[in-house]
Amino acid sequence: AQTVTQSQPEMSVQEAETVTLSCTYDTSESNYYLFWYKQPPSRQMILVIRQEAYKQQNATENRFSVNFQKAAKSFSLKISDSQLGDTAMYFCAFMNQDTGNQFYFGTGTSLTVIP
Amino acid sequence: DAMVIQNPRYQVTQFGKPVTLSCSQTLNHNVMYWYQQKSSQAPKLLFHYYDKDFNNEADTPDNFQSRRPNTSFCFLDIRSPGLGDAAMYLCATSGYRNSPLHFGNGTRLTVT
Repeated sequence: AQTVTQSQPEMSVQEAETVTLSCTYDTSESNYYLFWYKQPPSRQMILVIRQEAYKQQNATENRFSVNFQKAAKSFSLKISDSQLGDTAMYFCAFMNQDTGNQFYFGTGTSLTVIP
Repeated sequence: DAMVIQNPRYQVTQFGKPVTLSCSQTLNHNVMYWYQQKSSQAPKLLFHYYDKDFNNEADTPDNFQSRRPNTSFCFLDIRSPGLGDAAMYLCATSGYRNSPLHFGNGTRLTVT
């Protein structure tokens, strides 16, 4: 079975600063996808960014980027120029490409952006 | 806008009284999932449907059942809710193998 670990239950960052959220995972699979999801307070969970394991290039979506280290099984999320709307729970998730339909989530990191 | 809709947003039920949560989608996605999320914990997959094929997680209690009468709708039935079943229940869809999840707003279940 796959496990996803987020070792930072809570983090805070000043508005406009940069913050990095950590995620590690354990798998014996070689083909998989990794995701970061954002869950704002009382709102639905939405996809932030996605990384295919076979791609060496780190994914980027506007202010969000990842540092994917496959050998280390590490998948951190960097948020640049933090905004108040970034305040949310952030979940790291793993999906096995071969089985396709099962997502495994970490326990989440609660991020607060301070004005 | 295409979306995943869960009803109701908040549900209160009594201990042991059956309850049904509903999920509908306008995305025409093949796969529908039910997750249970307790406070400060990761969403836990209960089961998913790939089209009509039902896939139950090994550790999902028998108390939880699901129905998918058509592509658009999926239901979560809790036959005899216990206090430990109080949680947020998340419905999600995905369009094809290896595609990201699209979540609904969730139903927060309270058991009294």
